[in-house]
Amino acid sequence: GENVEQHPSTLSVQEGDSAVIKCTYSDSASNYFPWYKQELGKRPQLIIDIRSNVGEKKDQRIAVTLNKTAKHFSLHITETQPEDSAVYFCAACCSAGKSTFGDGTTLTVKP
Amino acid sequence: SAVISQKPSRDICQRGTSLTIQCQVDSQVTMMFWYRQQPGQSLTLIATANQGSEATYESGFVIDKFPISRPNLTFSTLTVSNMSPEDSSIYLCSVEEGQGTEAFFGQGTRLTVV
Repeated sequence: GENVEQHPSTLSVQEGDSAVIKCTYSDSASNYFPWYKQELGKRPQLIIDIRSNVGEKKDQRIAVTLNKTAKHFSLHITETQPEDSAVYFCAACCSAGKSTFGDGTTLTVKP
Repeated sequence: SAVISQKPSRDICQRGTSLTIQCQVDSQVTMMFWYRQQPGQSLTLIATANQGSEATYESGFVIDKFPISRPNLTFSTLTVSNMSPEDSSIYLCSVEEGQGTEAFFGQGTRLTVV
């Protein structure tokens, strides 16, 4: 089955700096790569996603890049703000018809 | 987008008892899943709830401990049976409207076993 590895597990940045979270996946058949943000005490929610026919996607301060050959994808957050502090999960879909999640990255943005 | 209502939101239970968690979706969805999560930690998939048939359990999870029902395409229940303090966790239901689509999560059930 699919295996997703996510790094780093924790990340601390100063407000205004950029943050990068990286994930690798094992199943070359995976074709959908979403990123979820989970604020403290809340449910995970989608913030951006990318499909395998695209190399990069951007939405305001967040962007995702995908390298199918190397089987890795990354989340980039620019001009970080304290409200970006949360746990971020990557996922790869759809081996066995379901998403496989990474272990999460706790991002802390220090004011 | 799917709207999910999960209840109870939290409960404190005595060891040896069972708790049933409900997940109601506002639309018919193909796939429903049950996860366990320690606060701030990773999402651990317990099982896939299959409509009209037995759930598919992940390694380390068994039907006797976590029986799941899915009578239709909008509703599922997860029971945590014969609870022990090690079962204290947050339980989340999730749905995907199709392969390669966004996952929507319920608000979670925070379970404490004393």
